[in-house]
Amino acid sequence: KAGVTQTPRYLIKTRGQQVTLSCSPISGHRSVSWYQQTPGQGLQFLFEYFSETQRNKGNFPGRFSGRQFSNSRSEMNVSTLELGDSALYLCASSRGGSSYNEQFFGPGTRLTVL
Amino acid sequence: GEDVEQSLFLSVREGDSSVINCTYTDSSSTYLYWYKQEPGAGLQLLTYIFSNMDMKQDQRLTVLLNKKDKHLSLRIADTQTGDSAIYFCAENPGGGADGLTFGKGTHLIIQP
Repeated sequence: KAGVTQTPRYLIKTRGQQVTLSCSPISGHRSVSWYQQTPGQGLQFLFEYFSETQRNKGNFPGRFSGRQFSNSRSEMNVSTLELGDSALYLCASSRGGSSYNEQFFGPGTRLTVL
Repeated sequence: GEDVEQSLFLSVREGDSSVINCTYTDSSSTYLYWYKQEPGAGLQLLTYIFSNMDMKQDQRLTVLLNKKDKHLSLRIADTQTGDSAIYFCAENPGGGADGLTFGKGTHLIIQP
């Protein structure tokens, strides 16, 4: 069974640009969550999508947005990039639902903002 | 607010046991997790414990949960060089579909 895949693995952008990251969950998984990892703040929850609907959101500005497609693949978009957006962005998939759902993480996308 | 606390570094000798500690804040967390992250990699779920359990053992890993003190620990027996990584403790506040809240991670350093 293929794991969670994220593309691209590395990305370099300049301030003010926008970026779109992609995540393909494990087959059969309907929930996708996004996290930002930085040395200073650690791992922080961005948002979670389940069946194409945003089910929960962390404390990030509106520049961070996402969506999920009918095949459960998800994208996250960051507009008007700032230097502080440089981070490892991790995506995790799970079956979804309200009971225990193990989250499987992808390798991440390393975003560098210059 | 919600916060998960871990010490930043732990150094142990190869072959000894490693004990990584964590305190969490949300008593409604249904599950508590330990993740491992190796350099340049994503997160790997090591083990988890349901909040009504005190202990869970899985091969070299033992998780202890003290719900009264909101304290979680991960013991790695016979620590090997391949165990060198960052270990994250995480809780799911609200116990449902909310995102996980992670600690800052403990860097486990193995001395030969």
